[in-house]
Amino acid sequence: EVQLVESGGGLVQPGESLGLACAASGFTFGNFWMSWVRQAPEKGLEWVANIKQDGSETRYVDSVKGRFTISRDNAQNSLYLQVNSLRVEDTAVYYCAREGFNSPLSFDFWGRGTLVTVSS
Amino acid sequence: QSALTQPRSVSGSPGQSVTISCTGTSSDVGGYNYVSWYQQYPGKAPKLMIYDVSKRPSGVPDRFSGSKSGNTASLTISGLQAEDEADYHCCSYAGRNTHVVFGGGTKVTVL
Repeated sequence: EVQLVESGGGLVQPGESLGLACAASGFTFGNFWMSWVRQAPEKGLEWVANIKQDGSETRYVDSVKGRFTISRDNAQNSLYLQVNSLRVEDTAVYYCAREGFNSPLSFDFWGRGTLVTVSS
Repeated sequence: QSALTQPRSVSGSPGQSVTISCTGTSSDVGGYNYVSWYQQYPGKAPKLMIYDVSKRPSGVPDRFSGSKSGNTASLTISGLQAEDEADYHCCSYAGRNTHVVFGGGTKVTVL
């Protein structure tokens, strides 16, 4: 059974940092692109970043470029998101998602998310 | 404001059909056949329901179908059931630099 379990969220002040993690199991982690997708309270989903199977390519939504860093450790079956210089508008549930087996331009498995709250 | 436009809500009675629209541009929905749809219950993770415009993952009931015309994609739920009451999000590939964009989500209410 595919499982994705996020951790690391919390309440921080503007300008502070957090490290999010996603533990993967039930599939060969190193075979898939992985993404972070976020959802602000009462809002729609927003793709944040993704990373290639071997970590050699990463992409980011413009609003987080230079502040967020996605990485992975295939030996530990883990995905990470370092979020720096946090802003109030970064407040959201952050989901770890696997880019699809049948179509890499969809997300076929999601974690339950970890909440990041940025407030003074 | 989300990149793709969805109605905030749609409703229907059990057994009826409802259709959710997802309008983008020629740079996303209209330019690629990579539209996906996700079902989300309150407080839960999204679930993939449709990918590549009209394909269903294993285990998704055939009551759910997807289509696309021009810059607008659609999700149709036929034979509406109480368990279909949820939020539905559309998503489209938007090119190498942007990757994917989502809609704002549509709440489906079963009357």
